Amino acid sequence: AQSVTQLGSHVSVSEGALVLLRCNYSSSVPPYLFWYVQYPNQGLQLLLKYTSAATLVKGINGFEAEFKKSETSFHLTKPSAHMSDAAEYFCAVILWNGQNFVFGPGTRLSVLP
Amino acid sequence: GAGVSQTPSNKVTEKGKYVELRCDPISGHTALYWYRQSLGQGPEFLIYFQGTGAADDSGLPNDRFFAVRPEGSVSTLKIQRTERGDSAVYLCASSLAGQATDTQYFGPGTRLTVL
Repeated sequence: AQSVTQLGSHVSVSEGALVLLRCNYSSSVPPYLFWYVQYPNQGLQLLLKYTSAATLVKGINGFEAEFKKSETSFHLTKPSAHMSDAAEYFCAVILWNGQNFVFGPGTRLSVLP
Repeated sequence: GAGVSQTPSNKVTEKGKYVELRCDPISGHTALYWYRQSLGQGPEFLIYFQGTGAADDSGLPNDRFFAVRPEGSVSTLKIQRTERGDSAVYLCASSLAGQATDTQYFGPGTRLTVL
């Protein structure tokens, strides 16, 4: 069975600073990986996804993530944080023949002025 | 046109009561998913529909939970004899064909509170 860990339930960065949100997975075979963002009182919105094409994936709002098989990681980064990036971020995995996501516990990102 | 919608947005009920939560997926999406999100946690899978049939209901916690999608569009999640532990946000998602690479589009959720 797959599992996802997200190191750091809460991350704070200053506006303009680098954002790094960590995601590690456990799976018997390399899965597909997704990052979703959840703003208060809104549904989850897809940021980006890795589906076995390029290992460096670019998403919306300037975010990107790199799939590293040797490290079983899919960390999310953004070079310069903006106040509007404050939200909850979830990493999720799904097997190539799977039908549902397994989500991590989430990381709440705060952006300080 | 519109995204996934869910009604009601909030539901407060008493322990032991029956509730129904509704999900309207994106038009044309054959796959529909229900997840449950408890406070401070990531969503947990409940059930997946492909068309009208439940292709995977392995996430339903017990037989008090049941879901239907009779015409392959709208789905209803039904909870009998609600318990305080059922309190959570219930999320619905849909995807075009249910492939693992498909993006799942999520609704805003229904917040269920069992008193």
